[in-house]
Amino acid sequence: EVQLVESGGVLVQPGGSLRLSCEASGFTFTIYSMNWVRQAPGKGLEWVSYISSGSSTKYYADSVKGRFTISRDNAKNSLFLQMNSLRAEDTAVYYCARDNPPDVWGKGTTVTVS
Amino acid sequence: SYELTQPPSVSVSPGQTARITCSGDAFPKKYAYWYQQKSGQAPVLVIYEDSKRPSGIPERFSGSTSGTVATLTLSGAQVEDEADFYCYTTDNSGNVVFGGGTKLTVL
Repeated sequence: EVQLVESGGVLVQPGGSLRLSCEASGFTFTIYSMNWVRQAPGKGLEWVSYISSGSSTKYYADSVKGRFTISRDNAKNSLFLQMNSLRAEDTAVYYCARDNPPDVWGKGTTVTVS
Repeated sequence: SYELTQPPSVSVSPGQTARITCSGDAFPKKYAYWYQQKSGQAPVLVIYEDSKRPSGIPERFSGSTSGTVATLTLSGAQVEDEADFYCYTTDNSGNVVFGGGTKLTVL
C-alpha cells in the first residue's frame, strides 16, 4: 500500500524550531518529487515547499523562505522539513504529498506555535 | 506568482449539478487540477490536467477550462460529495498555487 506518514508535530513557543519527518512506503520514493503543504485551522491549503527527486531543486513559499528548509534521505525513504523562527501563523496541519500535482497525501501532523 | 479565485461556497440539492469555478491568469496556459477534501481528511485529487479523472474517481466529476476560468462540474451531486474543493496550478518558477477553496453543500 502506498503510504506517507508524517511525524514531529508538537506545541512549540514562538521563535522555536521543529523538524518534521515524513516516512514513505509502498512506492519507489527515489523517483518522486515531494512537497509539504499546510492547512491552518479552519483555513485553506497552502503549499509550503517542494523538493525534486534528487534534491537538486528546492522551492519555498514566500511565507517560509529563509526560515524553513526541505530535505530528503532517499536511502531511508524519508522527507524532512526543518522549521526555524516559528511564528503563530505557522500553526497548521502539515501534510507531506507526493509528486506534482500531489497524488498521494499523508494524514498530516499538527504544529502549534503558542 | 499566480492567484486563483474560487467562490467561498456552492450549494445544491441532491441530484442537481454543481459547478465550482476557479479563475486566474494561469489559465489556459497552465493546467488546472482539483482536489476534494472531506472534513478531517487529507485532500484527494479528483481532476488533473484540466479534465482528466484519476482512476477510482466517479464519472460524475468532470473538469473544463474556458479562457481564464477552470470549472469543476459535479453532475448529479450526492450527499457524500459534500466537501471543500480546491483548484491548483503551478507557475513557471515552480511555485505551487492553491485556490482559496469552495465549500460544497449538498442538501
